[in-house]
Amino acid sequence: KQEVTQIPAALSVPEGENLVLNCSFTDSAIYNLQWFRQDPGKGLTSLLLIQSSQREQTSGRLNASLDKSSGRSTLYIAASQPGDSATYLCAVTTGNQFYFGTGTSLTVIP
Amino acid sequence: GAGVSQSPSNKVTEKGKDVELRCDPISGHTALYWYRQSLGQGLEFLIYFQGNSAPDKSGLPSDRFSAERTGGSVSTLTIQRTQQEDSAVYLCASSFGGTSYGYTFGSGTRLTVV
Repeated sequence: KQEVTQIPAALSVPEGENLVLNCSFTDSAIYNLQWFRQDPGKGLTSLLLIQSSQREQTSGRLNASLDKSSGRSTLYIAASQPGDSATYLCAVTTGNQFYFGTGTSLTVIP
Repeated sequence: GAGVSQSPSNKVTEKGKDVELRCDPISGHTALYWYRQSLGQGLEFLIYFQGNSAPDKSGLPSDRFSAERTGGSVSTLTIQRTQQEDSAVYLCASSFGGTSYGYTFGSGTRLTVV
């Protein structure tokens, strides 16, 4: 069964810092990987989707990379802002479902 | 619709009662998924629909849980004889289907069994 791990579980940074969130998965035979953010009491908002054939995707201040062979993905957030505070989840799919990590809780301090 | 709509947003029920949770996916999305998120836990897959059929029900935790989808659109997740351990946020997502597309999630239904 696919296992997804996210490190760190929690992260607190001052506003303006660049940061990296890590995601690893045990089965490299994935179709794609998706990064989400979840605000307290809310559903999940999709940030970036990386197909298995791609190495990275960018959207604004966000950049996600994928190294399928090593089972790793990173989410890079540039110039962090207090509004970036949320839980960030990565998910991989090998078929009919996405497997989720337990998330990284990010706090950006003004 | 513009997004995935779930209702109710909050539900408090007494132990032993049945509940129905509704999901209205994005128009044109053929795939629909139910997940459960318990407090402090990750997302747990429950069931996947492609059209009206459910090729993967492997995540349903017990026979008290069932789901259906009609008209390739709205889905209902039913929990019979609710237990306190059923308390969680139930999230629905939809997709165009296939492996090239990501998910769009609804805001979830927070179920509390007292």
